Amino acid sequence: ETGVTQSPTHLIKTRGQQVTLRCSSQSGHNTVSWYQQALGQGPQFIFQYYREEENGRGNFPPRFSGLQFPNYSSELNVNALELDDSALYLCASSSGGGLAEETQYFGPGTRLLVL
Amino acid sequence: SQKIEQNSEALNIQEGKTATLTCNYTNYSPAYLQWYRQDPGRGPVFLLLIRENEKEKRKERLKVTFDTTLKQSLFHITASQPADSATYLCALDMGTGRRALTFGSGTRLQVQP
Repeated sequence: ETGVTQSPTHLIKTRGQQVTLRCSSQSGHNTVSWYQQALGQGPQFIFQYYREEENGRGNFPPRFSGLQFPNYSSELNVNALELDDSALYLCASSSGGGLAEETQYFGPGTRLLVL
Repeated sequence: SQKIEQNSEALNIQEGKTATLTCNYTNYSPAYLQWYRQDPGRGPVFLLLIRENEKEKRKERLKVTFDTTLKQSLFHITASQPADSATYLCALDMGTGRRALTFGSGTRLQVQP
């Protein structure tokens, strides 16, 4: 186990609703990255937070937003849910500013189903 | 555009044999390449990182090679065991300020006893 926790484990929402997913990073880690993993695909980078600031963003629309708190835990918010948002949402923590060379420690993920 | 390709077909091998998984990439020159293992319903777990100036890296039964001319990495598991059955993902830094990983779609390995 990595020490990264995510909640909830599963979630069912309907199209148009909003959702908030939560992540607690591993102790001592100041960087959290969020990924979306569709079935049969690899994780896709959504964005990264370092010391409470967004530190990089992938090719996702603005309705995907996030926060990082002083204790380095993080939230992912998705507004106006679409059917294609159904996926496993992974959070990964790392130390040292989030350079891609760092080892990413992933949580177990939140499985989101949008009906 | 940048692309990472891993064999989408599952790899089935017998216990004790060496499994070899391939990761090819185009239109980019990554400084680092990482390999992760992912079990069903779980998050990926880091296995190995190799830098562009390293040809080979080993860790116990695992070996990774990185050929920047061929734009290819090979991931080997020697003396494979049924417990090695999982999906293996390769990941590269592909821009966005080198602060994110771009993953391939993974190759599922099944080791038969």
